[in-house]
Amino acid sequence: ETGVTQTPRHLVMGMTNKKSLKCEQHLGHNAMYWYKQSAKKPLELMFVYNFKEQTENNSVPSRFSPECPNSSHLFLHLHTLQPEDSALYLCASSQEAAALAKNIQYFGAGTRLSVL
Amino acid sequence: GQNIDQPTEMTATEGAIVQINCTYQTSGFNGLFWYQQHAGEAPTFLSYNVLDGLEEKGRFSSFLSRSKGYSYLLLKELQMKDSASYLCAVPGGYNKLIFGAGTRLAVHP
Repeated sequence: ETGVTQTPRHLVMGMTNKKSLKCEQHLGHNAMYWYKQSAKKPLELMFVYNFKEQTENNSVPSRFSPECPNSSHLFLHLHTLQPEDSALYLCASSQEAAALAKNIQYFGAGTRLSVL
Repeated sequence: GQNIDQPTEMTATEGAIVQINCTYQTSGFNGLFWYQQHAGEAPTFLSYNVLDGLEEKGRFSSFLSRSKGYSYLLLKELQMKDSASYLCAVPGGYNKLIFGAGTRLAVHP
């Protein structure tokens, strides 16, 4: 148990569906992250929120829409996805997002998404 | 920009020692992280190096050479539960952690 919980663990959706991924952290952190992990590829940073404000959007298509209502919760809203969006979506949190060196990120177990 | 290279797969025998290498290129250096990820689970933090040399933490040690852009993770007395992917990562500027593709380690009896 890392203190970061993601739901659902598995999701299958059609290209016309709308769904949301949820992440909750119980670590008192102020920064939260969304990553995409595809087979045999590096973890790709998607979004960063620091104190509820979005500080990074790594050129993510608009069919992915993040929401951070407070420092403990992060959502990723999905609509009109493509089959190539099938991947493991990981959420992480850290004390805060900063240029400080030792900014350890704690990850959730991820949501395995399949787009049909 | 940043670039990280690590071997895709490695195999080792239970009880043995294995070294997983990572080379990196960064425009600035703020340390290097190693994470472990078991299949279907969250990546978990293993180590952080910012100064040259070897840092030991139980069966796992991590080494860094900043001048060579090189790090390795050393796993001793391998156990079956050490079968996992090992991810090397460096800070890539404000907010960002840049990951390598990971090394999948299989430990055999």
